Amino acid sequence: GENVEQHPSTLSVQEGDSAVIKCTYSDSASNYFPWYKQELGKRPQLIIDIRSNVGEKKDQRIAVTLNKTAKHFSLHITETQPEDSAVYFCAASRGQGNAGNMLTFGGGTRLMVKP
Amino acid sequence: EADIYQTPRYLVIGTGKKITLECSQTMGHDKMYWYQQDPGMELHLIHYSYGVNSTEKGDLSSESTVSRIRTEHFPLTLESARPSHTSQYLCASRIYNEQFFGPGTRLTVL
Repeated sequence: GENVEQHPSTLSVQEGDSAVIKCTYSDSASNYFPWYKQELGKRPQLIIDIRSNVGEKKDQRIAVTLNKTAKHFSLHITETQPEDSAVYFCAASRGQGNAGNMLTFGGGTRLMVKP
Repeated sequence: EADIYQTPRYLVIGTGKKITLECSQTMGHDKMYWYQQDPGMELHLIHYSYGVNSTEKGDLSSESTVSRIRTEHFPLTLESARPSHTSQYLCASRIYNEQFFGPGTRLTVL
């Protein structure tokens, strides 16, 4: 089955710096890669996603890149702010057919932005 | 407002009790999921449903059961709660590729 590895598990940056979180996946049939942000005590919220026919997607200060050949994708946050502090999860769809309706999640990255 | 609702939000119960965690969504999504998550940790899929009368077990072995009699309702039941069931339970629903989570139920079994 699909396996998603996420690194680093914790990341501490100064306000204004950039943060990069990386994920690798194992199923070459995966075609959808969302990123979720979970603040303390809150539900995971979808912040950005990318489909396999696109190499990069940007939304204001966040961007996601996908390398299908290498089977890895990354989240980039620029000009970090204290409110970016949260746990971030990457995920990958489980191939095609009915399995494609399920996501496999990475282990999460705890991002701390120091003012 | 279209959303996913979970009740109760917090529950403290004794060992051996039967409990049902409620999940309802008003978005008309066919696909629904239950995840177990210790705070800030990895999400583990425990049950899913593709529509009415469809239920499947997920990756994480769970002593819970689910039912899907109506599209909007996907309750999870623990017949006999144990301290090892202490965790947060997140319900989710999905349309096309986008998956949305409910606010969660934090369960403590004493």
